[in-house]
Amino acid sequence: DSGVTQTPKHLITATGQRVTLRCSPRSGDLSVYWYQQSLDQGLQFLIQYYNGEERAKGNILERFSAQQFPDLHSELNLSSLELGDSALYFCASSGRLGNEQFFGPGTRLTVL
Amino acid sequence: AQSVTQPDIHITVSEGASLELRCNYSYGATPYLFWYVQSPGQGLQLLLKYFSGDTLVQGIKGFEAEFKRSQSSFNLRKPSVHWSDAAEYFCAVGDWSGNTPLVFGKGTRLSVIA
Repeated sequence: DSGVTQTPKHLITATGQRVTLRCSPRSGDLSVYWYQQSLDQGLQFLIQYYNGEERAKGNILERFSAQQFPDLHSELNLSSLELGDSALYFCASSGRLGNEQFFGPGTRLTVL
Repeated sequence: AQSVTQPDIHITVSEGASLELRCNYSYGATPYLFWYVQSPGQGLQLLLKYFSGDTLVQGIKGFEAEFKRSQSSFNLRKPSVHWSDAAEYFCAVGDWSGNTPLVFGKGTRLSVIA
């Protein structure tokens, strides 16, 4: 158990819908990272937050957005969902910039 | 730009045999290097990390990795593989400042046969 929690574990929805994925980092960790893992694209970095501020952006679509709240939990919002958005979405946290990341168990999103 | 190459997409080894998974990185400064393991349907678990010092680092589950700056490599090894080691293995590189997130390789899938 890494100490990073993600909810929900599974999510099934339809195209065009909007969903919110939630992540709680390890106690005391200030950085939160979001990744998308699919069979064809592998592990893709989406976005990073550090203590509430956006720190780095990767291959995140405009339909996707995220935020980190004052209690340091983070949410990833995915809208206008397409079939190709079906993937595992991981959240990771780290205590200090540059340190190793601890991954949550992931949310499996299925878009029908 | 940072990059990580894991040349082997899939490796199959016999139980009890030794294992080496290759990782090459491209990075302009001193890298922070990591190996993660992902079992089916699970998140990524950190196996080991290299920041500085001794270039041979020990990790969990009997794994070790050696940092070779001259070859830009950070290969993962295990002297005797167990069936439970079957999983996907990811190498990653980061920097000390954390101004850029980790860059992951595409992974190597390890199968273990009896």
